Amino acid sequence: AQKITQTQPGMFVQEKEAVTLDCTYDTSDQSYGLFWYKQPSSGEMIFLIYQGSYDEQNATEGRYSLNFQKARKSANLVISASQLGDSAMYFCAMRERGQAGTALIFGKGTTLSVSS
Amino acid sequence: EPEVTQTPSHQVTQMGQEVILRCVPISNHLYFYWYRQILGQKVEFLVSFYNNEISEKSEIFDDQFSVERPDGSNFTLKIRSTKLEDSAMYFCASRGLAGAAPGDTQYFGPGTRLTVL
Repeated sequence: AQKITQTQPGMFVQEKEAVTLDCTYDTSDQSYGLFWYKQPSSGEMIFLIYQGSYDEQNATEGRYSLNFQKARKSANLVISASQLGDSAMYFCAMRERGQAGTALIFGKGTTLSVSS
Repeated sequence: EPEVTQTPSHQVTQMGQEVILRCVPISNHLYFYWYRQILGQKVEFLVSFYNNEISEKSEIFDDQFSVERPDGSNFTLKIRSTKLEDSAMYFCASRGLAGAAPGDTQYFGPGTRLTVL
């Protein structure tokens, strides 16, 4: 079974609009962390935002926010006021067991295209 | 801002040859990782390294792979006898002590694209 599921292979949005990228996860651990990374066409992986399983508030970082619904096991990324530079692949990832050294498990990613 | 660096950015090799991919993690970080991403696919974990030993590895990380921290700054991934299916982007990542970053975030390098012919 997939640990991280990103069901949207591609998303298209106009500049200045908001967009939501979906992520659902599967774990039996009580303590885990959820991350979003951005991969532009140049290939690097850029950390965007983190949500801990025990965090009661949804995480926010500038134009990025994470819509965390623990009961539904979803951690959707919301990008407000999209910019052309937001065009990239976006990966949702999870770290289980709350152990800092534990590997990240990634989803297959969603390609976001922002047009003017 | 400190960043993870990787060299080379692109490596082309013949099948059966040994390759060494190099990484310089962020200087005060203690946990190091290698991931790979086959073209068009998701990022997959290979190995994690802490306190001069492997702390976790995946099924992909077989006897053909090894990691080493030869000095205080470099972290290397060696593939002894490359296969065609080793062609991928290889990412190094590092993180600091627990609590040093939100969720103990792993910071990734720019990657090395390995092409095996």
